[in-house]
Amino acid sequence: GAVVSQHPSRVICKSGTSVKIECRSLDFQATTMFWYRQFPKQSLMLMATSNEGSKATYEQGVEKDKFLINHASLTLSTLTVTSAHPEDSSFYICSANPRGVSDTQYFGPGTRLTVL
Amino acid sequence: AQSVAQPEDQVNVAEGNPLTVKCTYSVSGNPYLFWYVQYPNRGLQFLLKYITGDNLVKGSYGFEAEFNKSQTSFHLKKPSALVSDSALYFCAVRDISVNNDMRFGAGTRLTVKP
Repeated sequence: GAVVSQHPSRVICKSGTSVKIECRSLDFQATTMFWYRQFPKQSLMLMATSNEGSKATYEQGVEKDKFLINHASLTLSTLTVTSAHPEDSSFYICSANPRGVSDTQYFGPGTRLTVL
Repeated sequence: AQSVAQPEDQVNVAEGNPLTVKCTYSVSGNPYLFWYVQYPNRGLQFLLKYITGDNLVKGSYGFEAEFNKSQTSFHLKKPSALVSDSALYFCAVRDISVNNDMRFGAGTRLTVKP
């Protein structure tokens, strides 16, 4: 089946630094990738939709200058948390739509970000 | 916009008993419905989906779900629960006529006791 990887799986950083999270579709091309964040004991909240070669579409309330998304190729999307603060600590999960398949999303294993 | 409700935060069942995890949805167009399971500190694992066709959908690990259009429900079921089924379950909906993003329910924690 389709596999989506995320790197790193865990990251701890100091407040004020920037962190980049990678999301890769390993065995398929993904024209669309999605970024979610999940707080403890809560559901996934969609942050943004990333389309290859174009600007990401952010959900209401998500700061696009803080959460930079780049979808430079059909297999890679990156999320950069700029000037991270402790309130940005969360579980970040990406998902990808295989090219030509609109009904299925495949999820990555998630990245645990802890900002000290 | 599409939305999903999971009315139960927690479901407890004894091993070997049937289990049901409830989900209702709201979309303006035709729904694509999904169930995912999440284990601690892990991403989501796909269980099953309803796109079209037979209202009873069978998925991974013996789970099934029934699409009920009149009740706008998509409850997850399993005839005989296992302790290893204990996890967090999410129902999700996509309204393909609007866009491609998926909306998740709040999640239901299933605990199966031996």
